[in-house]
Amino acid sequence: GENVEQHPSTLSVQEGDSAVIKCTYSDSASNYFPWYKQELGKGPQLIIDIRSNVGEKKDQRIAVTLNKTAKHFSLHITETQPEDSAVYFCAASPTAGKLIFGQGTTLQVKP
Amino acid sequence: GAGVSQSPSNKVTEKGKDVELRCDPISGHTALYWYRQRLGQGLEFLIYFQGNSAPDKSGLPSDRFSAERTGESVSTLTIQRTQQEDSAVYLCASSLVAIQETQYFGPGTRLLVL
Repeated sequence: GENVEQHPSTLSVQEGDSAVIKCTYSDSASNYFPWYKQELGKGPQLIIDIRSNVGEKKDQRIAVTLNKTAKHFSLHITETQPEDSAVYFCAASPTAGKLIFGQGTTLQVKP
Repeated sequence: GAGVSQSPSNKVTEKGKDVELRCDPISGHTALYWYRQRLGQGLEFLIYFQGNSAPDKSGLPSDRFSAERTGESVSTLTIQRTQQEDSAVYLCASSLVAIQETQYFGPGTRLLVL
C-alpha cells in the first residue's frame, strides 16, 4: 500500500525566514496531495493542495511543488510568522476517499 | 456555515467497555471519513463512506471496530471491548465527494482507555 515519508520531523526558523518540508510517496497511482496544518487540540486544516496534472501551486506565502517522476512533493512557506508555528502534515491519495498521511513536522517560528 | 462536529469531545472509559463516537458532517457533503491519531503521530485512515455505504474499510484495525452512517448524514464509530492501545484522538472529516476533494476535519474525540 501507499507509504508517505515526511522530513524533517521538527523545524525551527527565525521569523521572516523560509521553511521547507519534504514528502515522498510510494504509490504511483496517487494523484492528489494536500497539506494540512494542525494546531494544538484542534483538527487538521487544509492549507494548500495539488493535483497530479500540475507541478507547482502558490497561494500568497505558501507554495507546493510536485515531482511525479521522483514521487516527491514539498511545502514552501516564505516570510514565516510566529502564527505559522504548528504541526504540518502532507498526505497522498492512492484511491478515492483515502488519504495516507506523513508523520508530521513540528514547525517553530521564533520571533 | 457550520463545520464538522464530533461528540463527545473527550471520553474516558475502562478497558473492556464499548464506546460510541459520533460525527456530524457538513450539510450536503456526501463523503465522510474516520481517522485515528495517536499521540505525536500522523493520522491513520480507518474507513470512508460515500453516501451510506462504505467502499473502503481497509483501515479498521480489528473486528472490534465498526462504523455506520445513516441518512447520508450522521456517522457513528463503535469500538467494542476497548483496549488501552485504542487510546487516541479519533477524527472525522467530510467532503463534497470522495475524489480529489478537500476533506474538512472536525475537532476530534479524545479517547482514553484506563
